Amino acid sequence: AQKVTQAQTEISVVEKEDVTLDCVYETRDTTYYLFWYKQPPSGELVFLIRRNSFDEQNEISGRYSWNFQKSTSSFNFTITASQVVDSAVYFCALSEENTGNQFYFGTGTSLTVIP
Amino acid sequence: DAGVIQSPRHEVTEMGQEVTLRCKPISGHNSLFWYRQTMMRGLELLIYFNNNVPIDDSGMPEDRFSAKMPNASFSTLKIQPSEPRDSAVYFCASSLWGGANTEAFFGQGTRLTVV
Repeated sequence: AQKVTQAQTEISVVEKEDVTLDCVYETRDTTYYLFWYKQPPSGELVFLIRRNSFDEQNEISGRYSWNFQKSTSSFNFTITASQVVDSAVYFCALSEENTGNQFYFGTGTSLTVIP
Repeated sequence: DAGVIQSPRHEVTEMGQEVTLRCKPISGHNSLFWYRQTMMRGLELLIYFNNNVPIDDSGMPEDRFSAKMPNASFSTLKIQPSEPRDSAVYFCASSLWGGANTEAFFGQGTRLTVV
Protein backbone atom coordinates (compact mmCIF):
# COMPACT_ATOMS: atom_id res chain seq x y z
CA ALA A 1 0.00 0.00 0.00
CA GLN A 2 1.18 3.48 -0.78
CA LYS A 3 2.22 5.21 2.43
CA VAL A 4 2.38 8.66 0.89
CA THR A 5 -0.10 9.79 -1.70
CA GLN A 6 0.24 12.88 -3.80
CA ALA A 7 -2.89 12.80 -5.88
CA GLN A 8 -2.00 15.81 -7.99
CA THR A 9 0.34 14.69 -10.74
CA GLU A 10 0.67 18.05 -12.46
CA ILE A 11 -0.45 21.55 -11.61
CA SER A 12 -0.15 24.73 -13.64
CA VAL A 13 -0.73 28.17 -12.21
CA VAL A 14 -0.17 31.68 -13.41
CA GLU A 15 2.51 33.66 -11.67
CA LYS A 16 1.36 35.34 -8.44
CA GLU A 17 -1.41 32.82 -7.86
CA ASP A 18 -1.43 30.77 -4.68
CA VAL A 19 -1.15 27.01 -5.03
CA THR A 20 -1.57 24.13 -2.58
CA LEU A 21 0.11 20.77 -3.03
CA ASP A 22 -1.65 17.94 -1.28
CA CYS A 23 -0.03 15.12 0.65
CA VAL A 24 -1.85 12.32 2.43
CA TYR A 25 0.04 9.73 4.44
CA GLU A 26 -0.68 6.43 6.07
CA THR A 27 1.05 5.02 9.13
CA ARG A 28 0.32 3.04 12.26
CA ASP A 29 3.24 4.49 14.17
CA THR A 30 2.51 7.11 16.77
CA THR A 31 5.88 8.71 16.16
CA TYR A 32 6.65 9.66 12.61
CA TYR A 33 8.09 12.48 10.56
CA LEU A 34 6.96 14.21 7.42
CA PHE A 35 9.12 15.96 4.87
CA TRP A 36 8.84 18.02 1.73
CA TYR A 37 11.50 18.11 -0.95
CA LYS A 38 11.76 20.21 -4.10
CA GLN A 39 13.28 18.91 -7.32
CA PRO A 40 13.90 21.78 -9.74
CA PRO A 41 14.63 21.17 -13.44
CA SER A 42 18.34 20.91 -12.63
CA GLY A 43 17.52 17.60 -10.94
CA GLU A 44 18.78 17.75 -7.39
CA LEU A 45 16.45 17.13 -4.46
CA VAL A 46 16.33 20.02 -2.05
CA PHE A 47 15.11 19.56 1.50
CA LEU A 48 12.40 22.06 2.49
CA ILE A 49 10.90 21.05 5.82
CA ARG A 50 10.54 18.32 8.44
CA ARG A 51 7.67 17.98 10.92
CA ASN A 52 7.21 15.45 13.66
CA SER A 53 3.93 13.80 14.54
CA PHE A 54 3.66 15.58 17.88
CA ASP A 55 3.82 19.06 16.47
CA GLU A 56 0.73 20.05 14.56
CA GLN A 57 1.58 23.72 14.46
CA ASN A 58 1.47 25.10 11.00
CA GLU A 59 4.67 26.57 9.73
CA ILE A 60 5.38 29.54 7.53
CA SER A 61 8.64 30.33 5.83
CA GLY A 62 8.43 33.29 3.52
CA ARG A 63 6.00 32.42 0.74
CA TYR A 64 5.89 28.77 1.84
CA SER A 65 3.52 27.39 4.43
CA TRP A 66 2.67 23.92 5.60
CA ASN A 67 -0.56 22.66 7.10
CA PHE A 68 -0.27 19.47 9.15
CA GLN A 69 -3.55 17.85 10.19
CA LYS A 70 -3.37 14.50 11.94
CA SER A 71 -7.16 14.14 11.84
CA THR A 72 -7.03 13.85 8.07
CA SER A 73 -3.47 12.45 7.82
CA SER A 74 -2.49 15.32 5.61
CA PHE A 75 0.55 17.54 5.31
CA ASN A 76 -0.24 20.08 2.62
CA PHE A 77 2.13 22.65 1.21
CA THR A 78 1.02 26.08 0.03
CA ILE A 79 3.04 28.50 -2.04
CA THR A 80 1.74 32.04 -1.87
CA ALA A 81 2.22 34.44 -4.77
CA SER A 82 3.92 31.80 -6.89
CA GLN A 83 6.93 32.65 -9.00
CA VAL A 84 8.45 31.05 -12.06
CA VAL A 85 11.35 29.82 -9.93
CA ASP A 86 8.87 27.70 -7.98
CA SER A 87 8.43 25.48 -11.03
CA ALA A 88 9.65 22.06 -9.92
CA VAL A 89 8.54 18.64 -8.83
CA TYR A 90 7.65 18.54 -5.15
CA PHE A 91 7.87 15.36 -3.12
CA CYS A 92 6.27 14.60 0.20
CA ALA A 93 7.93 11.88 2.31
CA LEU A 94 7.31 9.96 5.51
CA SER A 95 9.63 8.22 7.92
CA GLU A 96 8.51 6.14 10.87
CA GLU A 97 10.21 5.69 14.21
CA ASN A 98 9.91 1.92 13.95
CA THR A 99 11.49 1.69 10.52
CA GLY A 100 14.24 4.25 11.03
CA ASN A 101 15.88 5.44 7.87
CA GLN A 102 13.26 4.25 5.44
CA PHE A 103 11.90 7.33 3.68
CA TYR A 104 8.62 6.68 1.91
CA PHE A 105 8.32 9.14 -0.94
CA GLY A 106 5.17 10.13 -2.75
CA THR A 107 5.11 10.13 -6.52
CA GLY A 108 5.58 13.87 -6.66
CA THR A 109 3.59 16.82 -7.98
CA SER A 110 4.95 18.69 -10.95
CA LEU A 111 4.27 22.40 -10.57
CA THR A 112 4.55 24.75 -13.50
CA VAL A 113 4.29 28.47 -12.87
CA ILE A 114 3.44 30.34 -16.04
CA PRO A 115 4.78 33.87 -16.34
CA ASP B 1 30.12 22.42 3.25
CA ALA B 2 30.11 21.24 -0.36
CA GLY B 3 27.09 18.99 0.08
CA VAL B 4 26.80 15.45 -1.22
CA ILE B 5 28.99 15.01 -4.25
CA GLN B 6 28.24 12.42 -6.89
CA SER B 7 30.21 11.44 -9.94
CA PRO B 8 29.85 11.17 -12.80
CA ARG B 9 26.86 13.43 -13.48
CA HIS B 10 26.07 11.58 -16.66
CA GLU B 11 27.05 8.12 -17.80
CA VAL B 12 26.27 6.44 -21.07
CA THR B 13 27.34 2.84 -21.39
CA GLU B 14 26.68 -0.18 -23.51
CA MET B 15 24.67 -3.10 -22.26
CA GLY B 16 26.86 -5.62 -20.52
CA GLN B 17 29.43 -3.14 -19.33
CA GLU B 18 30.27 -2.50 -15.70
CA VAL B 19 29.17 0.83 -14.28
CA THR B 20 30.44 2.40 -11.06
CA LEU B 21 28.74 5.37 -9.48
CA ARG B 22 30.52 7.31 -6.77
CA CYS B 23 29.40 9.34 -3.80
CA LYS B 24 31.04 11.51 -1.20
CA PRO B 25 28.63 12.25 1.68
CA ILE B 26 28.57 15.40 3.76
CA SER B 27 31.40 15.36 6.27
CA GLY B 28 30.19 14.24 9.67
CA HIS B 29 27.11 12.47 8.40
CA ASN B 30 26.76 8.90 9.60
CA SER B 31 24.11 7.57 7.26
CA LEU B 32 24.30 7.19 3.50
CA PHE B 33 21.56 6.21 1.09
CA TRP B 34 21.40 5.18 -2.55
CA TYR B 35 18.14 5.90 -4.40
CA ARG B 36 17.04 5.29 -7.95
CA GLN B 37 14.52 7.51 -9.72
CA THR B 38 12.54 6.48 -12.77
CA MET B 39 9.33 7.75 -14.30
CA MET B 40 7.64 4.41 -13.75
CA ARG B 41 8.65 3.72 -10.16
CA GLY B 42 9.50 7.13 -8.75
CA LEU B 43 12.11 7.28 -5.99
CA GLU B 44 13.20 3.89 -4.72
CA LEU B 45 15.57 3.27 -1.83
CA LEU B 46 18.18 0.75 -2.94
CA ILE B 47 20.38 0.50 0.14
CA TYR B 48 21.48 2.47 3.15
CA PHE B 49 24.49 2.43 5.43
CA ASN B 50 24.93 3.52 9.03
CA ASN B 51 28.52 4.13 10.10
CA ASN B 52 29.75 2.47 6.88
CA VAL B 53 27.79 -0.72 7.57
CA PRO B 54 25.02 -1.78 5.18
CA ILE B 55 21.79 -1.88 7.17
CA ASP B 56 19.12 -2.60 4.61
CA ASP B 57 19.77 -3.67 1.03
CA SER B 58 16.33 -5.09 0.38
CA GLY B 59 15.78 -2.49 -2.32
CA MET B 60 18.71 -3.64 -4.42
CA PRO B 61 16.98 -5.04 -7.49
CA GLU B 62 19.28 -7.90 -8.40
CA ASP B 63 22.64 -9.45 -7.76
CA ARG B 64 23.98 -7.32 -10.56
CA PHE B 65 23.84 -4.40 -8.14
CA SER B 66 26.33 -4.01 -5.31
CA ALA B 67 27.24 -1.15 -3.01
CA LYS B 68 30.20 -0.53 -0.77
CA MET B 69 31.22 2.06 1.76
CA PRO B 70 34.89 1.49 2.55
CA ASN B 71 35.11 4.59 4.74
CA ALA B 72 32.98 7.43 6.05
CA SER B 73 33.68 9.68 3.09
CA PHE B 74 33.14 7.43 0.11
CA SER B 75 30.63 5.00 -1.31
CA THR B 76 30.17 3.24 -4.62
CA LEU B 77 27.24 1.65 -6.38
CA LYS B 78 28.24 -0.86 -9.02
CA ILE B 79 26.14 -2.48 -11.71
CA GLN B 80 27.69 -5.45 -13.45
CA PRO B 81 26.60 -6.27 -16.09
CA SER B 82 24.43 -3.27 -16.90
CA GLU B 83 21.14 -3.59 -18.78
CA PRO B 84 18.97 -1.00 -20.57
CA ARG B 85 16.34 -1.24 -17.82
CA ASP B 86 18.91 0.09 -15.37
CA SER B 87 18.69 3.48 -17.09
CA ALA B 88 17.63 5.94 -14.40
CA VAL B 89 18.86 8.77 -12.23
CA TYR B 90 20.75 7.45 -9.23
CA PHE B 91 20.88 9.64 -6.15
CA CYS B 92 23.14 9.42 -3.17
CA ALA B 93 22.01 11.09 0.06
CA SER B 94 23.43 11.43 3.53
CA SER B 95 22.04 12.32 6.93
CA LEU B 96 23.50 13.21 10.26
CA TRP B 97 22.51 9.99 11.95
CA GLY B 98 20.24 7.07 11.37
CA GLY B 99 17.10 8.17 13.10
CA ALA B 100 13.75 8.63 11.43
CA ASN B 101 13.69 12.29 12.39
CA THR B 102 16.72 13.24 10.36
CA GLU B 103 16.37 14.73 6.95
CA ALA B 104 18.53 13.42 4.14
CA PHE B 105 20.53 15.71 1.89
CA PHE B 106 20.79 14.61 -1.70
CA GLY B 107 23.49 14.87 -4.30
CA GLN B 108 22.78 16.08 -7.81
CA GLY B 109 22.39 12.56 -9.09
CA THR B 110 23.98 10.49 -11.82
CA ARG B 111 21.93 10.08 -14.96
CA LEU B 112 22.70 6.61 -16.28
CA THR B 113 21.82 5.56 -19.79
CA VAL B 114 22.44 1.99 -20.84
CA VAL B 115 22.16 1.43 -24.57
